Amino acid sequence: NAGVMQNPRHLVRRRGQEARLRCSPMKGHSHVYWYRQLPEEGLKFMVYLQKENIIDESGMPKERFSAEFPKEGPSILRIQQVVRGDSAAYFCASSPLGGLRETQYFGPGTRLLVL
Amino acid sequence: DAKTTQPPSMDCAEGRAANLPCNHSTISGNEYVYWYRQIHSQGPQYIIHGLKNNETNEMASLIITEDRKSSTLILPHATLRDTAVYYCIVREGKTSYDKVIFGPGTSLSVIP
Repeated sequence: NAGVMQNPRHLVRRRGQEARLRCSPMKGHSHVYWYRQLPEEGLKFMVYLQKENIIDESGMPKERFSAEFPKEGPSILRIQQVVRGDSAAYFCASSPLGGLRETQYFGPGTRLLVL
Repeated sequence: DAKTTQPPSMDCAEGRAANLPCNHSTISGNEYVYWYRQIHSQGPQYIIHGLKNNETNEMASLIITEDRKSSTLILPHATLRDTAVYYCIVREGKTSYDKVIFGPGTSLSVIP
């Protein structure tokens, strides 16, 4: 059973470009979470999605960031007009359900570098 | 903010047991204690979780005090590969969904 997959593993963008990060959850998992880890800092929750629905986006910056989890295909975290402060590791996690009892399994992350 | 307190760093000799403490004095009755670890440059890895009983799996043991205000993660025979940041997490109490709130964790160094 493959784990959570993220691609690309490394992404370099220039200021003002768009970054698209993809996350394929574990088989059978319909809940996806995105976290960001800035250099030398801990992981911060960004957004929680179920298929076709955003459940909690309280950790998402209000501008330039968006996330989706379509009925078919991976979850996408999109960052428009990237700035140097967006440079970070972005981790995706998935779980079969969203409740307290469900363990979240994390992917290897996408490391975004904005030049 | 994280609802747990952990020492920022610990050392452990290779082959010895690593005991990582965690305080969660404000934990409520339906909240679980979870442990994750993050080896450098990798995604967080689930280790173990529990509610009030002690738990053991192939990776570690979790000892939760009777009042549930603290717990200890035990790695019975630490290896160099166990060097990582260990996060003790109390899951937020929403019943329909939740998010994992990571604190700074404990940086464990296993020494040869």
